[in-house]
Amino acid sequence: GQNIDQPTEMTATEGAIVQINCTYQTSGFNGLFWYQQHAGEAPTFLSYNVLDGLEEKGRFSSFLSRSKGYSYLLLKELQMKDSASYLCAPEDSNYQLIWGAGTKLIIKP
Amino acid sequence: IAGITQAPTSQILAAGRRMTLRCTQDMRHNAMYWYRQDLGLGLRLIHYSNTAGTTGKGEVPDGYSVSRANTDDFPLTLASAVPSQTSVYFCASSARGGTGTDTQYFGPGTRLTVL
Repeated sequence: GQNIDQPTEMTATEGAIVQINCTYQTSGFNGLFWYQQHAGEAPTFLSYNVLDGLEEKGRFSSFLSRSKGYSYLLLKELQMKDSASYLCAPEDSNYQLIWGAGTKLIIKP
Repeated sequence: IAGITQAPTSQILAAGRRMTLRCTQDMRHNAMYWYRQDLGLGLRLIHYSNTAGTTGKGEVPDGYSVSRANTDDFPLTLASAVPSQTSVYFCASSARGGTGTDTQYFGPGTRLTVL
């Protein structure tokens, strides 16, 4: 079957670094997306990994290990506006996204 | 450029009524999707369309129907609404068929309550 596992909730301090992990099992695999979703809003695209390794984009980085079925999103220099849910979504062999329930990140001053 | 628009923003509906949620994109994307999002669950795909004139069933299609008469519009119809269809509905689109990442872009959502 297809399964996504992310922590339900995480708390971090403004200015710190946080890593949000995601493990997945899918029917085939093409790549993995991370989206950000603020409360009451639509998901917005953050990153896409297709090859193993780290992709860096400003304060956000995303890592993928295809052999381990594992990804993480790394957020640096946390700001209050980073309080949101972060959704891990691997893309299966039919190019459909399989969505996790998301990790709610709470940033404290 | 608006991207993706959805209407209505929110709706309260009596059980048994018919309802159509509208979705329009101006990005000339080939693929469009309808998801529902319920508290504590991930986005679940209802129906999708890889190109105008074609549609497919997602994970939770029962009670919903779609059509894709042209590239821009992808309406979702609830033929006879039931309370379990209370949810937030998101429409999304992606380029599909081109090179590079097939990123999905989301509309603002429709909050539907069925009483």
